[in-house]
Amino acid sequence: QKEVEQDPGPLSVPEGAIVSLNCTYSNSAFQYFMWYRQYSRKGPELLMYTYSSGNKEDGRFTAQVDKSSKYISLFIRDSQPSDSATYLCAMRRQGGKLIFGQGTELSVKP
Amino acid sequence: EAGVVQSPRYKIIEKKQPVAFWCNPISGHNTLYWYLQNLGQGPELLIRYENEEAVDDSQLPKDRFSAERLKGVDSTLKIQPAELGDSAVYLCASSFSDLNTGELFFGEGSRLTVL
Repeated sequence: QKEVEQDPGPLSVPEGAIVSLNCTYSNSAFQYFMWYRQYSRKGPELLMYTYSSGNKEDGRFTAQVDKSSKYISLFIRDSQPSDSATYLCAMRRQGGKLIFGQGTELSVKP
Repeated sequence: EAGVVQSPRYKIIEKKQPVAFWCNPISGHNTLYWYLQNLGQGPELLIRYENEEAVDDSQLPKDRFSAERLKGVDSTLKIQPAELGDSAVYLCASSFSDLNTGELFFGEGSRLTVL
């Protein structure tokens, strides 16, 4: 079993929809949680960072961490065609290496 | 500010041939990473450098892969000999230090095809 599990999709939604992306993990020592966005043939770029549990909001993006359930989510409101990309969750424990999920491919149709 | 620069962007070779990838990190970043990304998968760490020291190379297949970071700046990743299964994207990333914030800055990657 992988330490981080993520549904690979693909996920296709109409423009303006609310998108929910999720990851589960098995290592309770993970404390730092991130979401990276990767456009086709580009490197990943950091989108959201959250420490421990709770919510974090940045514009149309909201990251949630539920450590009791070992579950993290990324919500995208009012999705745009420019949001079409692969979204990678990533996490690490204190001093540990960053572990990435498989990535979810998202397509937002105009 | 220039980002992480990698070259070549694309490389096609026949199996058993050698190949090398080069990475120039963001100026001032002392931590450098090489990741492997297979199609439809997330990046997997191959090696991490703190300045010129390789501090985590546990996932680097040392029988055919080697890496170096001379003078703690640029880095080279080499595969010799290449196998069909090495076809993938090799990503270089850098950060100020091995921060728990996870703010790694990635290059665009070097896409390797082994025939």
